[in-house]
Amino acid sequence: DQQVKQNSPSLSVQEGRISILNCDYTNSMFDYFLWYKKYPAEGPTFLISISSIKDKNEDGRFTVFLNKSAKHLSLHIVPSQPGDSAVYFCAALVSYNTDKLIFGTGTRLQVFP
Amino acid sequence: NAGVMQNPRHLVRRRGQEARLRCSPMKGHSHVYWYRQLPEEGLKFMVYLQKENIIDESGMPKERFSAEFPKEGPSILRIQQVVRGDSAAYFCASSPPEGRGQPQHFGDGTRLSIL
Repeated sequence: DQQVKQNSPSLSVQEGRISILNCDYTNSMFDYFLWYKKYPAEGPTFLISISSIKDKNEDGRFTVFLNKSAKHLSLHIVPSQPGDSAVYFCAALVSYNTDKLIFGTGTRLQVFP
Repeated sequence: NAGVMQNPRHLVRRRGQEARLRCSPMKGHSHVYWYRQLPEEGLKFMVYLQKENIIDESGMPKERFSAEFPKEGPSILRIQQVVRGDSAAYFCASSPPEGRGQPQHFGDGTRLSIL
C-alpha cells in the first residue's frame, strides 16, 4: 500500500525555468510533509517541510504547496540550476504514534543548460 | 563533521554471515531511525530508537534483524544469516528531542552487498 506517491519518475527542465515536482498521499492523518534531495551515493538532504495546518511554505528558491482537499503537494524550484539535478523524495510524517517518515519513490530532476 | 556518521560505507558479506551497520547520530540528537532503500525504490522505514529503547520496530522483518541504541556508543543494525535479498542501501537518520515534526537528518548510508 503506497501511501505517498510520486507518479513522475523523471523531469527535465531548462536552467532558469521553474521545476515543479508533485506528490500525492492517501493518509489524511499525516501531520507534516517534507521534501528531501538526494545525490548518488549520498544520504537524503532535508530541503523544506510544511505542516498540515498550512498551505504554503517558502525558503529561498524552494516553495512547497499543500492542497489538503486533493491530498496533493508540490515543490516548486525557481529558478532551476544545474546543481539542482538530483532525485527528490516527498515524505510524510506519521505523528499519531511515532515520527517515522513514509517516502515516495522519488522523481529524478535534470536541469540542463 | 557534525553530521550523522555511518560505517562502513560499503559492506560485502556472503550468504549466512552476519552484517553489523553502525550509526552515530548528530550531536545533541537522541532519536535514531533506520531506513532501507532497495534499487529504484524509495526509502522504507525499519525502526525508531531512543537511547536504550526501541520505540517503533513495525518496519523490521520479524526474523534475523535487530537494532539497538545503547546508552554509550552508536546505534547498531544487525542482520543475521544474510540472504541475497538483504542487498540494499541502509540509511540512518537522527533528530533532536524537541518534539514532533523536527526534520530527520540522514547519513550517507551503508551499501550492503550479499555474495
